[in-house]
Amino acid sequence: EAQVTQNPRYLITVTGKKLTVTCSQNMNHEYMSWYRQDPGLGLRQIYYSMNVEVTDKGDVPEGYKVSRKEKRNFPLILESPSPNQTSLYFCASSFYGGRGSPLHFGNGTRLTVT
Amino acid sequence: GQQVMQIPQYQHVQEGEDFTTYCNSSTTLSNIQWYKQRPGGHPVFLIQLVKSGEVKKQKRLTFQFGEAKKNSSLHITATQTTDVGTYFCATETPNAGGTSYGKLTFGQGTILTVHP
Repeated sequence: EAQVTQNPRYLITVTGKKLTVTCSQNMNHEYMSWYRQDPGLGLRQIYYSMNVEVTDKGDVPEGYKVSRKEKRNFPLILESPSPNQTSLYFCASSFYGGRGSPLHFGNGTRLTVT
Repeated sequence: GQQVMQIPQYQHVQEGEDFTTYCNSSTTLSNIQWYKQRPGGHPVFLIQLVKSGEVKKQKRLTFQFGEAKKNSSLHITATQTTDVGTYFCATETPNAGGTSYGKLTFGQGTILTVHP
């Protein structure tokens, strides 16, 4: 089944403890991206990757890192999480970036930082 | 970065009533995509509009792109309880160097509630 898989679905952590949210897609998509969703703010793009080894900042990249060493994986890293990073996070992928290719979203990761 | 304003933020309707959500921008948009997110779910792609004045229909849903490509709307005729969720518009914008269009800016979303 074609899908975008995020793990974990729920994560509770403490301030400053490094964490990684994994994202994997099995559709051979070139483009992958991370978003955070907060009430009243919609979806805001954190980072995106047009292809392997190519990443770029979205609108809210501060406090996050990403890497794209393989086509299928695009992990989101929080080196030192803070409470303002408590949010619902979505990973998404598409065949191409910037050419209107529809995004396929993962099921989301709900992160709480205390 | 590109701003896309979406209104209204909330809409409550009785089943059978129509519903419309709007996306507006002060600048010309390259394209507009629409997504639906069911409660507790993830956004799902509905459609993309690219051409000035474009109108597309999917059963009871009608999507429009303005002549100036600065606004778009999604209209649902005779809502059903299965229409509940949050509807988002999104548009692709160039990165800082203008070398790629991987940035995707979403509107704030319209949360639709349908009362049976």
